[in-house]
Amino acid sequence: RKEVEQDPGPFNVPEGATVAFNCTYSNSASQSFFWYRQDCRKEPKLLMSVYSSGNEDGRFTAQLNRASQYISLLIRDSKLSDSATYLCVVWGAAGNKLTFGGGTRVLVKP
Amino acid sequence: NAGVTQTPKFRILKIGQSMTLQCAQDMNHNYMYWYRQDPGMGLKLIYYSVGAGITDKGEVPNGYNVSRSTTEDFPLRLELAAPSQTSVYFCASRDRTGAGEKLFFGSGTQLSVL
Repeated sequence: RKEVEQDPGPFNVPEGATVAFNCTYSNSASQSFFWYRQDCRKEPKLLMSVYSSGNEDGRFTAQLNRASQYISLLIRDSKLSDSATYLCVVWGAAGNKLTFGGGTRVLVKP
Repeated sequence: NAGVTQTPKFRILKIGQSMTLQCAQDMNHNYMYWYRQDPGMGLKLIYYSVGAGITDKGEVPNGYNVSRSTTEDFPLRLELAAPSQTSVYFCASRDRTGAGEKLFFGSGTQLSVL
């Protein structure tokens, strides 16, 4: 089993709709969790950290479920500019370092 | 403040050639990383460094070498390039160990080995 797994998608989303997707991690001792956004052929950029209580940043909501070992990202009122690959990143999934999931591709269409 | 600077942005190598990917950061970060990203895949850690003079292997170190003689620079060396090393390479840095600090990425180097 991979340390960090994501549904690769693509998730085809109508503009204005809500989309949500998960990321599972195998090591219960994992300590911190992040969502990064990556546009085609560009470097990843931090979207948001994921806190135990869940957190929201505008149209984006991140949740952590330690019991089931997954994190989620929900995007409300999707914009065309939200089209990107969303990378789940876990600290401590495989030792004392960051581990990246394979990414979930989201395509928002008019 | 330039952040993390990678050079070159693009390179084509012939099988068996060698090259060095340069990475420099001006944020005085102790931790630096090299990742590779194959098409449609996530990032895989090649090597990392927790400070000048200290380096360690990541998931996919074979065929690569690194050095960290200064805090600022973390070059990645490819010896005897192979087609399997065709990928996009990202250098990244962060301020300290532990869970909280975000990664700052360079803009990447697209490498093709033909």
